[in-house]
Formats: sequence, C-alpha cells, structure tokens
Amino acid sequence: ETGVTQTPRHLVMGMTNKKSLKCEQHLGHNAMYWYKQSAKKPLELMFVYSLEERVENNSVPSRFSPECPNSSHLFLHLHTLQPEDSALYLCASSQDPGGNQPQHFGDGTRLSIL
Amino acid sequence: EDKVVQSPLSLVVHEGDTVTLNCSYEVTNFRSLLWYKQEKKAPTFLFMLTSSGIEKKSGRLSSILDKKELFSILNITATQTGDSAVYLCAVRRGGGSNYKLTFGKGTLLTVNP
Repeated sequence: ETGVTQTPRHLVMGMTNKKSLKCEQHLGHNAMYWYKQSAKKPLELMFVYSLEERVENNSVPSRFSPECPNSSHLFLHLHTLQPEDSALYLCASSQDPGGNQPQHFGDGTRLSIL
Repeated sequence: EDKVVQSPLSLVVHEGDTVTLNCSYEVTNFRSLLWYKQEKKAPTFLFMLTSSGIEKKSGRLSSILDKKELFSILNITATQTGDSAVYLCAVRRGGGSNYKLTFGKGTLLTVNP
C-alpha cells in the first residue's frame, strides 16, 4: 500500500470512447503527477499539478485532459485515443513539487486501445 | 535534454549472488538521483542520493553516487527471488523544473532459485 490509489486497474476502450482515470492520494502531499509507461521506454512525465494548479504540460496531445479538483485527487480524461496510447498510466504524488522529496507512485491503470 | 542510461538492461542471477546495477546520467544542474523498484505494480522508492561518496544502505541493498563521473550504482547482496523486479533510476534537476524526474529504461533483474 503506497498511499496512492488508482482506478480502474485495467481499462479497455475503443478509439471513439470517452473515459477517465482516477487517482487519489492519502499522504497529505501537495503535488500530483501523471506518467505514461510504454513497453521498452522510460517513464514519461505527462502533467504536474502543484496545489491544484497545473505547472507542467509536457507536450501531451489534447486527447488527454487532466483535472485536479483538490490536492488529493487527480483525473485524466481520455477521448478519441489512438492505439499507440496503450500503456500503463501511473499517478504519483510528492510533498511539494519544488522540494527534494521522492515521488510515491500508485499501481497504475493498464490501458488498452482497440 | 536530460538523459539517464541504465545497464545492463536485463540480468539473470541465482539466489545468493551479488548484483551491481549501473546508472549514468547527464542533467543540467543536478539535484538528486533516485532509485525505484518496480514489480508488477507501483514503482516503490528505494534511495535518494544527493552527495558523492556517501553510501545509502537498507538491508541487503546499498547505493552510492559519483557526481564527478556522473553515475550511481545499486548493489544487492545475497539476492532472493523476491528481488526480481525492474530497477529504475531517475534524476532530478535543480532550478525552475525541479519537480521533473527523468527516468532510465530500467534494469530487469531476475533471480532464480
């Protein structure tokens, strides 16, 4: 139990569907992150939120839309995805984005696009 | 652009062996280097290193950083099957983007009984 909970664990969707990934952290952290992990590639940072404000959008296509309603919750809204978007999507949190504290990860959502 | 290279990409050993995993990096304004262990799920934090030559140790795992040669090693002694995982190395830069971790591809360690 890492203190970061992601749902669903697995998601299969067609290219025209709309779905959302959810992340919740119970660690009292102020920063939250979305990462994409594809096979044989390093973890790629997608978005960073600090105190509910987005501080990084790492050239992610607009078909991925993040939302951070409060410091404990983070969503990733998905629409009209492509097959190459199939990957493990990991959420992480840290005490604050600027401090030198490690990020703690959730178990991820395994996303498959048909 | 920041860069992290891990080697080997995969490694198979027998229980009881000692392994050394390598991580070399290029990063602007280095701040820290982190090691994570990823089994089938969440990467779990192992160590964070900021100073050269100071070994961090946790049980059978230890790690050290060389800021002059820009690399770190992760040692695991008396390996067990439960050590089988992907080990990820990441670096954090200082300055304005100091929240950003740049990861390597990882080393897949398999420990056979």
